[in-house]
Amino acid sequence: DGGITQSPKYLFRKEGQNVTLSCEQNLNHDAMYWYRQDPGQGLRLIYYSQIVNDFQKGDIAEGYSVSREKKESFPLTVTSAQKNPTAFYLCATGRGDGGTQYFGPGTRLLVL
Amino acid sequence: DQQVKQNSPSLSVQEGRISILNCDYTNSMFDYFLWYKKYPAEGPTFLISISSIKDKNEDGRFTVFLNKSAKHLSLHIVPSQPGDSAVYFCAASESNFGNEKLTFGTGTRLTIIP
Repeated sequence: DGGITQSPKYLFRKEGQNVTLSCEQNLNHDAMYWYRQDPGQGLRLIYYSQIVNDFQKGDIAEGYSVSREKKESFPLTVTSAQKNPTAFYLCATGRGDGGTQYFGPGTRLLVL
Repeated sequence: DQQVKQNSPSLSVQEGRISILNCDYTNSMFDYFLWYKKYPAEGPTFLISISSIKDKNEDGRFTVFLNKSAKHLSLHIVPSQPGDSAVYFCAASESNFGNEKLTFGTGTRLTIIP
């Protein structure tokens, strides 16, 4: 069954804690992306990767880190340096040609 | 600065009538435009796209119109159905310039009234 999976669906973070959000795809897409959605705002790009072992900062990368060791996986770590982490996080994939991106179901991160 | 703008936060339309959602952009380098539909607590679903070499693209009940001179695009849904109630995002990219980042608008919440 092709698609994009994100886990967990809900995640709670304590103060000073790093948490990692998972994104896996079996669409064989080269490019993967992480976005953040806040209420009343559009999706803002955190990081993206066009090929394995390479990634670029998006518009709001501060306080986040990523890795791309496999084509299928693009985990996002929300570090303690991210002061306002509460948001809905969306992973997307694409062919890397500036065209359509396809989104996973999202992870909601809440701070305790 | 907001390069993609959706100036109507919400829109209500009677079932069976036409829904028209609007989007404006400021970056003249944008050459590929997309519309996504999003339900609460779910990821956006791709609806329809248009390249800057066209001014219209149609897919079933959905039609996107692009007016490059006005830097404006619109999504028409006809006839509107209750399942169309969702938030709609407009997005744009500079695909011909090797820039694959999508820039999103802030969304319009569409409510279809039965």
